[in-house]
Amino acid sequence: SQELEQSPQSLIVQEGKNLTINCTSSKTLYGLYWYKQKYGEGLIFLMMLQKGGEEKSHEKITAKLDEKKQQSSLHITASQPSHAGIYLCGADNSGTYKYIFGTGTRLKVLA
Amino acid sequence: GAVVSQHPSRVICKSGTSVKIECRSLDFQATTMFWYRQFPKQSLMLMATSNEGSKATYEQGVEKDKFLINHASLTLSTLTVTSAHPEDSSFYICSAADFFEQYFGPGTRLTVT
Repeated sequence: SQELEQSPQSLIVQEGKNLTINCTSSKTLYGLYWYKQKYGEGLIFLMMLQKGGEEKSHEKITAKLDEKKQQSSLHITASQPSHAGIYLCGADNSGTYKYIFGTGTRLKVLA
Repeated sequence: GAVVSQHPSRVICKSGTSVKIECRSLDFQATTMFWYRQFPKQSLMLMATSNEGSKATYEQGVEKDKFLINHASLTLSTLTVTSAHPEDSSFYICSAADFFEQYFGPGTRLTVT
């Protein structure tokens, strides 16, 4: 069965620093989604990537999907305390909306 | 964007009782709804897929008699945790899908004492 591995599992950065979170799939992805979750709360949709080599940006967050559609990275530029939370990658590998999720990356940004 | 609500947001119940969680799509008709469970410091795990008017499809390892899912309409799905035990304490998130996208609810935190 397909698995999504995220790295790092946790990250503590100083405000203003850049950071990258990676998500690796054992199989080719149909669609790759990035979500942010505050502790004990629902998911906030960040971005969706479908095409190999695709890159999307929103405010200070950029997500990329590699050409083989098996690895994605989420990059935050000039991090702020508001970026703190859990970042989850999710994948729909069959177009059926049955998502699997990565293990999550817990981000803390120190002011 | 589309909104999915869950009710209640938090519930505490005693061991052995049943708890019902509602998931509603507020401004669209959901062809399919999903239920996920998230244990502390762990990722989301898909529990079951439900389609309106038909039986839910459960993922391997999920007890269908314990987690009853009813998808009565295109905007409402309910998850009932029957005879809840402390190990059922978790964060339950539903999602609703139309033809284009999947939208997640805010989650329900269940604590079984």
